[in-house]
Amino acid sequence: GAGVSQSPSNKVTEKGKDVELRCDPISGHTALYWYRQSLGQGLEFLIYFQGNSAPDKSGLPSDRFSAERTGGSVSTLTIQRTQQEDSAVYLCASSPTGSLPMNTEAFFGQGTRLTVV
Amino acid sequence: GQNIDQPTEMTATEGAIVQINCTYQTSGFNGLFWYQQHAGEAPTFLSYNVLDGLEEKGRFSSFLSRSKGYSYLLLKELQMKDSASYLCAVRDTATGFQKLVFGTGTRLLVSP
Repeated sequence: GAGVSQSPSNKVTEKGKDVELRCDPISGHTALYWYRQSLGQGLEFLIYFQGNSAPDKSGLPSDRFSAERTGGSVSTLTIQRTQQEDSAVYLCASSPTGSLPMNTEAFFGQGTRLTVV
Repeated sequence: GQNIDQPTEMTATEGAIVQINCTYQTSGFNGLFWYQQHAGEAPTFLSYNVLDGLEEKGRFSSFLSRSKGYSYLLLKELQMKDSASYLCAVRDTATGFQKLVFGTGTRLLVSP
């Protein structure tokens, strides 16, 4: 597709269940980012992929959170045993990788709104 | 680590000029971005600075001073539709790659 696609757009789950969020980046973009945004807050960095590897996982809040990327394309973010504090919008972005001074802006998907009840 | 600071909220009047400041501390630096985010929507790209100086794009301009770890976004001829959050983001190369880290954003309210 032309842009970053995320699915589902909305997810309501019961506390304790596992959820899987999907991100389809723009074709050819080597960098992929996951962020979490709570209501009225900024973007909290979760994890970053360069190709299929994740050089920086420092933002994952706990070991209930994991992410993978396959084929240098689709990524899934998995949250196990969801808690109410996991409720937020999960945003995915992708960008090409380039050297200075090339602008390698990140393009965002519309996000997945997760509600844990 | 990274530290990116922006004011939480600003107000301005339609037709006026507003400057939103951003200061940052990162282990490595490979560009600074400004994004606009309307409520309930995804962030959209506004501007990019990697070298010192001013970048102008229509009503929006962005300035960078790498030695001071400082940037600002200047919005001229404000319109009601400019009411949104403005996010400053820095590409940090500390890991050897290009991690993109955002500040908490500045909520701008434009009044008639």
